[in-house]
Order: sequence, then C-alpha cells, then structure tokens
Amino acid sequence: QQQVKQSPQSLIVQKGGISIINCAYENTAFDYFPWYQQFPGKGPALLIAIRPDVSEKKEGRFTISFNKSAKQFSLHIMDSQPGDSATYFCAASRPSGAGSYQLTFGKGTKLSVIP
Amino acid sequence: KAGVTQTPRYLIKTRGQQVTLSCSPISGHRSVSWYQQTPGQGLQFLFEYFSETQRNKGNFPGRFSGRQFSNSRSEMNVSTLELGDSALYLCASSFFGTGSYEQYFGPGTRLTVT
Repeated sequence: QQQVKQSPQSLIVQKGGISIINCAYENTAFDYFPWYQQFPGKGPALLIAIRPDVSEKKEGRFTISFNKSAKQFSLHIMDSQPGDSATYFCAASRPSGAGSYQLTFGKGTKLSVIP
Repeated sequence: KAGVTQTPRYLIKTRGQQVTLSCSPISGHRSVSWYQQTPGQGLQFLFEYFSETQRNKGNFPGRFSGRQFSNSRSEMNVSTLELGDSALYLCASSFFGTGSYEQYFGPGTRLTVT
C-alpha cells in the first residue's frame, strides 16, 4: 500500500521556468515532510522540509507548499536550471514507537530542465 | 563533518550467496536506517538501528538482517541472494532536530545478483 503518492513521474521544464511536483498522503500521523534530490550515482540529499503547522517554507529557489486539510504538499522550483535536473522524492515521517521515526517515500519525479 | 560512507560501492554476487554491506554514519549520529532502492519499487525501508538495537523494521523477509556496533557503524546482511535483491542499498544517518527528523543518505552500495 503506497502511503505517499507523487506526481508526475517525469517532468520537462524550460530553463527559467517553474517546476512543480505534487504529493499526497493518507496517514494523518505523518508529522514531517522532507523533499530529497537525487543525482545519478548518488544517494538522495535532503533539500527542504516542512512541518504541518506551516503552510509554506521557502529556501532560495525551492518552496514547499503544504495543505493540511487536503493532505497534499508540493515542491516548487523557481527559475529552474539545467543543474536542477535530477530525481526528486517527497517523503513523510511519522513516529513509530520507541522514539523511532519512519520515512515513507513517494515514487519519485525525474525532472529534466532543458536550455 | 564527513558524510555517511558506505562500502563497498559496487558488488556482484551469485544467487544463493550472502553479502554484507557496511555503513559509517555522520559523527555524532546514533541512528542508522537502511533502504532498498529499485526502479520498480522506489525507496523501501528495511530497518533502523539506534544504540545497537533494532527499533523498526520494514516488510522484508528474514534473509535481510542488520546490526549496529557501539561506535554506531552498521552492517546489513542478505543471505541466500535472489535475482530480485539486485538494487541500490542506501544507508541513512539520522539526526533528531527540534520538531524535525532529518536523515542524511550515503552514496549507496549497488548490488547485482547474477
């Protein structure tokens, strides 16, 4: 059962454009929502994260928008650059007992930014 | 600080063999999680260790096991390898920040089972 649904699977954006990736979740126990960026041959790198008590968080060209009532969150990449071409994963974390947290990942979005 | 390191980076094994992968977390991080990444299933949680104890386990068969040492370094073992075990195995070092839970991934070990 996929608990975090991510769309689209792939995305092609012109340089300078806005890239938008969407995620939806079902489990209301999730309380932390990070986004990861992965380049080929590398492990995922933490990009930006948000808590559900905040509706938006911005770091440089990257913005997370969060809609708690709709159980949806999205990543916006402003002024997209070819160097942003990578696979992006949304994730959701929840406490799973004994002080532990478990991350559940979306399936990923392969972003290609063309010049 | 040095990042998460994983060894080896690449492995080729034959069906039926077993394999051990190693992970060294970021200095000061005491929690280590393991994930399997495949094109079809994406990133799937294997297990998490904290202070040498397994705190959490994903839905994988018992052939997948792990352990953590007193210096927080961790190993995972896969016995009786199957073709479907071919994947990128990722280790993540965890930091519990204020109101957040941050995981930092290593570069992974690419396992190919033939």
